[in-house]
Amino acid sequence: AIQMTQSPSSLSASVGDRVTITCRASQDIRDDFGWYQQRPGKTPKLLIFAASKLERGVPSRFSGSVSGTVFTLTINSLQPEDFASYYCLQYFKYPYTFGRGTRLEIK
Amino acid sequence: EVQLVESGGGLVQPGGSLRLSCVASGFTFDNFAMTWVRQAAGTGLEWIAALSASDDVPYYADSVKGRFTISRDDSLNTVYLQMSSLRVEDTALYYCARGLTIDAWGQGILVTVSS
Repeated sequence: AIQMTQSPSSLSASVGDRVTITCRASQDIRDDFGWYQQRPGKTPKLLIFAASKLERGVPSRFSGSVSGTVFTLTINSLQPEDFASYYCLQYFKYPYTFGRGTRLEIK
Repeated sequence: EVQLVESGGGLVQPGGSLRLSCVASGFTFDNFAMTWVRQAAGTGLEWIAALSASDDVPYYADSVKGRFTISRDDSLNTVYLQMSSLRVEDTALYYCARGLTIDAWGQGILVTVSS
């Protein structure tokens, strides 16, 4: 199965900061990749699909990029509601695989 | 509005079976693959099964292959997850989700495997 190595596992930041989270795929997955946000006690929510496309309704401070097999989620100007867990997912090849998640906490 | 509503969870003994159902509404069900994802308490998301819309071919994570079966009834807008030979480590919140990119999620249903 394709491994998705997500880092960091946790991150502390302040409102207004810019943060980046990365996922490295163990092989080429083209751009068959997404980012999800999960607030505590809530259902996951799709933020980014096809590596860099913003899901409808997601604020533009979220962006995704890819270089080779390294995928990056950038959140500009953190807002209080952004403190949550973030997961990546590869949907290039079955079995699909999530990264282990990044918990973004308030500093 | 897209809605996915899971049911069928509960407490089951190790080695037992359970069938989860997920009723979909708000979209053309037979146009979409359907997926099950689970999350054990305090841990991350685990993709466990999917069923395509076009050819009904199922796909599974290694952790559930041979024990779980995903199926769908397009006439009822419903996807199922038949779980057998359940283990304590299958205890989790099980989410039904839409599509290969997983762009919509149900609220989840709790499955507890314990003696």
